[in-house]
Amino acid sequence: SAVISQKPSRDICQRGTSLTIQCQVDSQVTMMFWYRQQPGQSLTLIATANQGSEATYESGFVIDKFPISRPNLTFSTLTVSNMSPEDSSIYLCSARHRNEQFFGPGTRLTVL
Amino acid sequence: GQQVMQIPQYQHVQEGEDFTTYCNSSTTLSNIQWYKQRPGGHPVFLIQLVKSGEVKKQKRLTFQFGEAKKNSSLHITATQTTDVGTYFCALYNFNKFYFGSGTKLNVKP
Repeated sequence: SAVISQKPSRDICQRGTSLTIQCQVDSQVTMMFWYRQQPGQSLTLIATANQGSEATYESGFVIDKFPISRPNLTFSTLTVSNMSPEDSSIYLCSARHRNEQFFGPGTRLTVL
Repeated sequence: GQQVMQIPQYQHVQEGEDFTTYCNSSTTLSNIQWYKQRPGGHPVFLIQLVKSGEVKKQKRLTFQFGEAKKNSSLHITATQTTDVGTYFCALYNFNKFYFGSGTKLNVKP
């Protein structure tokens, strides 16, 4: 299995600021992903974090708003830029390891 | 993104009753995975189904992949309070997993 940690676990931010979420996997993985989950809702895929190249974004998500880094096979960051209250959500990092998908504990973001 | 419908949205059962959630796709799937998310937790992988008509069991949980590979089901026999949570199916497409809407299960002791 793969163990994923995320930092911070939660944050309260002011409108217009940016927050960078870090994701660390305890083993090298090919695929890493970022999801967003509103309380009580399903998971929405934001983007695939590609190692050594630009992330691949899903419809409705853009690089300027959600820049992603993936410097190596165990680490990725997601930045939520110029935040608004609509960005309040839980952000989950995920990694695929041997046909299973593992999730981090999530980052609960509240934007005031 | 891909559209995956799950029904029901909510299910309340008495402990000991059975529970089933269904996942339907408009397109043929290469494979499907099932996840469980406990309240306040993150999704945890349960199983992957790949073959048409495949049936897999994990203790009281039975997973089935439709013959046409467009639908799947998760059945829990004799629910327990530890089964409480939201069950998601996730379909695989273009090297990514897209999650269904989920079924929230509540079990009354």
